[in-house]
Amino acid sequence: QQQVKQSPQSLIVQKGGISIINCAYENTAFDYFPWYQQFPGKGPALLIAIRPDVSEKKEGRFTISFNKSAKQFSLHIMDSQPGDSATYFCAASMVWNDMRFGAGTRLTVKP
Amino acid sequence: DAGVIQSPRHEVTEMGQEVTLRCKPISGHNSLFWYRQTMMRGLELLIYFNNNVPIDDSGMPEDRFSAKMPNASFSTLKIQPSEPRDSAVYFCASSLGQVNTGELFFGEGSRLTVL
Repeated sequence: QQQVKQSPQSLIVQKGGISIINCAYENTAFDYFPWYQQFPGKGPALLIAIRPDVSEKKEGRFTISFNKSAKQFSLHIMDSQPGDSATYFCAASMVWNDMRFGAGTRLTVKP
Repeated sequence: DAGVIQSPRHEVTEMGQEVTLRCKPISGHNSLFWYRQTMMRGLELLIYFNNNVPIDDSGMPEDRFSAKMPNASFSTLKIQPSEPRDSAVYFCASSLGQVNTGELFFGEGSRLTVL
């Protein structure tokens, strides 16, 4: 079922560093690419999202970079903080109500 | 708003027993989704409803799984009979309108353990 491939599975970053998580998709019909953040014991929550008509979207310390030709997109977390430690999921959707998630990346930011 | 409400939060049962998970979506949302999360397979879409009507159940693992949405404020996911491989966290999510124009709101999940 997985149509979105995410890497790495886990990531350890020092406080203040840059965290980068990558995703690749197969289906060119996807037209909405969100990132979700999940803390232990909680459900995923929308962090930031992008559409394929733009190459980059920035919200605070979080940036999505999108490469339509390569069918890849990535999440960059600048100045990573211990509070950013969570599992991050990329996702893709198309048409009506068809959201597919990547396998997730467990991010640990060390103080 | 209280958000998406799921119950029970934790369920431990024995193989062969029936399990019913419940979900109350956010008021006014017209789409509801059931996901299953495991370490091996990540987040899998099981089924989704639009205006209480099942749209796609191709992700439901097998006939042991069934889902209903009798009204706009309630949905159930039933497993009968349950098996150890069904152990996972089951999430319900709701959205307003098309998911690819908006946001999925997830509940806190129901952790199922089948012994």
